[in-house]
Amino acid sequence: TQLLEQSPQFLSIQEGENLTVYCNSSSVFSSLQWYRQEPGEGPVLLVTVVTGGEVKKLKRLTFQFGDARKDSSLHITAAQPGDTGLYLCAGARSSNTGKLIFGQGTTLQVKP
Amino acid sequence: DAGVIQSPRHEVTEMGQEVTLRCKPISGHNSLFWYRQTMMRGLELLIYFNNNVPIDDSGMPEDRFSAKMPNASFSTLKIQPSEPRDSAVYFCASSTTGTVYGYTFGSGTRLTVV
Repeated sequence: TQLLEQSPQFLSIQEGENLTVYCNSSSVFSSLQWYRQEPGEGPVLLVTVVTGGEVKKLKRLTFQFGDARKDSSLHITAAQPGDTGLYLCAGARSSNTGKLIFGQGTTLQVKP
Repeated sequence: DAGVIQSPRHEVTEMGQEVTLRCKPISGHNSLFWYRQTMMRGLELLIYFNNNVPIDDSGMPEDRFSAKMPNASFSTLKIQPSEPRDSAVYFCASSTTGTVYGYTFGSGTRLTVV
């Protein structure tokens, strides 16, 4: 059973386009994180959202945590080839244990 | 800080051989996690430690897998005997206790069992 479902699984777009990646669950999470992974490397933390309805911006990336803390989205404006990579959402059921559950990931390719 | 350091980066071994993967977490981080990543199953948590103590090993596939953390600066993941289905990228990550801080991952060990 996959507790965190990401969609789409694959996305190939042209430079300059906008896109949104979704991370959905039927479970409530105390916090949710987004990571980006490049080939041959480990995932790198982009952002942590904690409060239901929270919105965080990181340059052209906008992250939102759902009001019920069951889902999240990542929106990229004017995508660049450097945004290419695997985007992973990860949820924590408890803030105490440190244990994260990862989604399957969204592979993004941005073509010049 | 050099980050989380894993070794080796690549390992090719024959079925039945023992494999040991190593990890040095970030100094001051008191939680350490071992994950396995494959195309089919994504990132799977194998085991994690808090303050060098194993807390949850429910993700360890079977008795062939074992992990130790003898001190705060070193952990090993051992597979004995290895099988072709163990081929994957194994990641070690560390963090400060409390998930809000996020994980710092190592660069991984790509294991191929032939």
